[in-house]
Amino acid sequence: GAGVSQSPSNKVTEKGKDVELRCDPISGHTALYWYRQRLGQGLEFLIYFQGNSAPDKSGLPSDRFSAERTGESVSTLTIQRTQQEDSAVYLCASSLLAGNTGELFFGEGSRLTVL
Amino acid sequence: EDKVVQSPLSLVVHEGDTVTLNCSYEVTNFRSLLWYKQEKKAPTFLFMLTSSGIEKKSGRLSSILDKKELFSILNITATQTGDSAVYLCAVAFNTNAGKSTFGDGTTLTVKP
Repeated sequence: GAGVSQSPSNKVTEKGKDVELRCDPISGHTALYWYRQRLGQGLEFLIYFQGNSAPDKSGLPSDRFSAERTGESVSTLTIQRTQQEDSAVYLCASSLLAGNTGELFFGEGSRLTVL
Repeated sequence: EDKVVQSPLSLVVHEGDTVTLNCSYEVTNFRSLLWYKQEKKAPTFLFMLTSSGIEKKSGRLSSILDKKELFSILNITATQTGDSAVYLCAVAFNTNAGKSTFGDGTTLTVKP
């Protein structure tokens, strides 16, 4: 597609439920990143995928968070047993190559609210 | 621990004013410093800086990096209401150019 596409744009869930967020990167972009942005704060790195290499999961805050990506296409971020502190905007970004300039192309984000 | 600090946290100016936003950093394996503009949701890329002292310009926006003092500034001249946004500074690493550490941003409000 023309840009990074994320869904859902908004998700309200109850504490303890699992949620799945989806990201469709720009076609041809081999690198994909997930970031989290809490209200009024900057972006926190969560996880990075590059081609078929093992993902860099160093930013995942707990084992309730996981992500998958099939080849160089869609990625899903799953949060199990959601907690109120998981409420944030989850931003996905892609880039041509991980070792390039560092410019990321971001999606509009998925706003997660955990009640 | 890698750290990126932006100042001020927020700024209110009137159209036509000139503003300077600051970003200081303490990171290992520095590769580049990037500025993004975030109006509603998706941050959009403004500048990437890798070398000290070389100014990057785009219209009314300009930015420069000082790798000795570990900071960057983003200047906006003749501000317009459309410049109102959160401006994010990020540092990318040699090991992975896209795995960036972001500052908390500066919220700029430009009043008519």
